[in-house]
This record gives sequence, C-alpha cells and structure tokens, in this order.
Amino acid sequence: ETGVTQSPTHLIKTRGQQVTLRCSSQSGHNTVSWYQQALGQGPQFIFQYYREEENGRGNFPPRFSGLQFPNYSSELNVNALELDDSALYLCASSLRQGGNEKLFFGSGTQLSVL
Amino acid sequence: AQSVTQLGSHVSVSEGALVLLRCNYSSSVPPYLFWYVQYPNQGLQLLLKYTSAATLVKGINGFEAEFKKSETSFHLTKPSAHMSDAAEYFCAVSESGGGADGLTFGKGTHLIIQP
Repeated sequence: ETGVTQSPTHLIKTRGQQVTLRCSSQSGHNTVSWYQQALGQGPQFIFQYYREEENGRGNFPPRFSGLQFPNYSSELNVNALELDDSALYLCASSLRQGGNEKLFFGSGTQLSVL
Repeated sequence: AQSVTQLGSHVSVSEGALVLLRCNYSSSVPPYLFWYVQYPNQGLQLLLKYTSAATLVKGINGFEAEFKKSETSFHLTKPSAHMSDAAEYFCAVSESGGGADGLTFGKGTHLIIQP
C-alpha cells in the first residue's frame, strides 16, 4: 500500500477524443510524476510537477498536459487521442527535500484507445 | 542522454536457486540507479537504490545489487528464489535521483520461478 491512488482503473476512449486521468498523492508530498507504460515495455517519463508547476518533461508532445492541485491531487490530460496512446499510465508522488527523494507509485490507469 | 539495457526479457529459475537479473546503464554523470518490482495489476515498488554511498546495496525481500562502474552494470541478485518473487523487474537510471529528469527505465525482465 503506497498511499497513492489513481482513477479510473480502466478507461476506453475513441481516437480523437480527450481524456483526463486522476491521481491522489500521499499527504504532504509536493511532487508528482507521470509515466506511460506501453504493453511489454518499461515506463516512460511524461512529466513532473513540483509545487503546482511543471519542472521537467520527457519526450512527449504538448497534447499531454497536467495539473497539480494544493490538495495533493493531480491530473494528466491527453488531447486528440491516438491509437498509440493505449497504455498503462502511472503516477508517482514524492517529497522533494534536497534530493534523494523516494517515489511512491499508484497502481495505474489502463487506457485503451479504439 | 541516459539509458538502461536489461539483458533477457524472461529469466526462469528453480525455487531455491540463485536469481541474477542483469542491468547495464549509460549516463554522462554519476548516476542514481534503481531496481523496481511490478506484480500483476499493480504499480511499481522500489526494491533498492544506489546513491554512491556503497557499491553493494541491500534491498527488501532479500535482494541486493552491486554497482560496478568499470562495467557500467548494476545487476540484481537474490541467493534463494521464492515462488513469491515471480514478477516483472525493472532497472532504472536517473541523473537527479528521480527529480526533474525523471527515471529512465529498461524494458523489464519477467522472472519465472519453477517449483
């Protein structure tokens, strides 16, 4: 039990639609990261939010965007869905205290794009 | 740019036998290195983390890993496999310890335990 919850657990969308995935971090954690895990692959870093500001981004297009709220919740938004967006999306929360932070992962949202 | 290569997408060992999962990394600066485990329908759980304090890192569930700079390796071992060790294992590297550059993961190794 990591204390990080994600919703929904499963989601089916159609190509071209928009989707919002949600994450509830551990209380007190000021950082949240999002990862995309395609079938049979390792997770890929999408972006990270620290104190409600994006402060790092992987190789993902701008149609992937996020928000982090003061109540330890966050969102991942994906516009204009493509078939290749089908994947498990993981969020991870952490407490940044001068480095050496430990990430706590949620169980993920499985997104299928048809 | 940093990268991770995990040799062997599937590794099968007998219960009670030695577990060895291989990981090689590439990084332009002294790296932070991680091993995570993922059970079906679950998120990732940290097994252990290398932060340059000691080259032999002990983790949870009896796992350990040794950092070898000359070989750019960080292989994961466990002396005696248990049925509950069956899972997907991921090696990861970061230049900031999981900060703004995120973690770069390998493709994973599926560990199968034979009874």
